[in-house]
Amino acid sequence: SQQGEEDPQALSIQEGENATMNCSYKTSINNLQWYRQNSGRGLVHLILIRSNEREKHSGRLRVTLDTSKKSSSLLITASRAADTASYFCATDATAMYSGGGADGLTFGKGTHLIIQP
Amino acid sequence: NAGVMQNPRHLVRRRGQEARLRCSPMKGHSHVYWYRQLPEEGLKFMVYLQKENIIDESGMPKERFSAEFPKEGPSILRIQQVVRGDSAAYFCASSPPSRVNEKLFFGSGTQLSVL
Repeated sequence: SQQGEEDPQALSIQEGENATMNCSYKTSINNLQWYRQNSGRGLVHLILIRSNEREKHSGRLRVTLDTSKKSSSLLITASRAADTASYFCATDATAMYSGGGADGLTFGKGTHLIIQP
Repeated sequence: NAGVMQNPRHLVRRRGQEARLRCSPMKGHSHVYWYRQLPEEGLKFMVYLQKENIIDESGMPKERFSAEFPKEGPSILRIQQVVRGDSAAYFCASSPPSRVNEKLFFGSGTQLSVL
């Protein structure tokens, strides 16, 4: 079953505005990551937040993690046209459970962000 | 330092043919992951390999799909007797031993189209 679910599915804002995307997941995790994918390209790692962290910053990116609610948010401040892309959260639950389960990251379906100039 | 290289970029096969997708990880990376992406969907984990070892293939269909990462050369994802439902983008990612599942570097993918 899908571990991460992003919300909203699509978001369109004006350049310069802030964009907020949310991710919910179902099981306990080691870390949660956000990736960006431009159309027709591979994913690019943006930021990682560990399960014992609550907030992290990287440039114009701010990520929060609430393990009690099993949710995370990605905030992009002062958006630019080049930020137009799909954004995915991915969770690592490796070794949290015995008896199998994928050792790779589990990705959500993504939020498609459009920044209008 | 070249990134993760995948080839071919696009692959067209007729039903029943074999598809071979190649992935060369970043230099120094010994862990390779294969993911499949359908249109408007996220990535679905398929298989995780280290050199000469399959660590986890729980996401890979039991039949027709196989993967390898030999001591020398790229990782290969092989799909035998392809069907239309195999049409998708297949992405390979790699990570260094110190950052397994912490930061994956992705290739640009192979778009497989089955006619």
